[in-house]
Amino acid sequence: EPEVTQTPSHQVTQMGQEVILRCVPISNHLYFYWYRQILGQKVEFLVSFYNNEISEKSEIFDDQFSVERPDGSNFTLKIRSTKLEDSAMYFCASSPGPGRGELFFGEGSRLTVL
Amino acid sequence: KNQVEQSPQSLIILEGKNCTLQCNYTVSPFSNLRWYKQDTGRGPVSLTIMTFSENTKSNGRYTATLDADTKQSSLHITASQLSDSASYICVVTLNTGGFKTIFGAGTRLFVKA
Repeated sequence: EPEVTQTPSHQVTQMGQEVILRCVPISNHLYFYWYRQILGQKVEFLVSFYNNEISEKSEIFDDQFSVERPDGSNFTLKIRSTKLEDSAMYFCASSPGPGRGELFFGEGSRLTVL
Repeated sequence: KNQVEQSPQSLIILEGKNCTLQCNYTVSPFSNLRWYKQDTGRGPVSLTIMTFSENTKSNGRYTATLDADTKQSSLHITASQLSDSASYICVVTLNTGGFKTIFGAGTRLFVKA
């Protein structure tokens, strides 16, 4: 069964360092998303992406964050200069249709900023 | 303000019993409402998705209802199993260009033998 895969599963980094989280969405999906979940809190929408551009972003998604689809398969989230409060689980998701279809989530990348 | 509120925050039931989880939302413009199951440390897994015109939808032992007038949804779990222990999250999608999603905080369900 096709699935969304994310790497790394866990990354530990020093404050101020750049981090890139990678996602391989399901191959025939066209819409891609990043979410984050701080430990013990609810999942929060970061950004949606379609046709090689950002469709919508939340207030959390500031200039420190960027997304890219560098090739036909990967979808990346970059955090330029990590802060302690960026420590969270980051989930990638994809869907075949524009928001009305089912969202398929990856297993997440846990980011720990020291 | 767009919000999704879930109750109860947590629930303990005995294996084999039924339970109902609640979701109230104040989200506009509304596109659809989904229920997800999330095991600790894992990604959410979709259970049901309902649009404005749908009142009920079933997926095995899970039945979701939606009242778009009162902006309430419920998830009913029948004949609970130990493996049902997880967080159940109500998610509402806005009918905007980017289909932003608002997540509830979830109901943590514990099923005991």
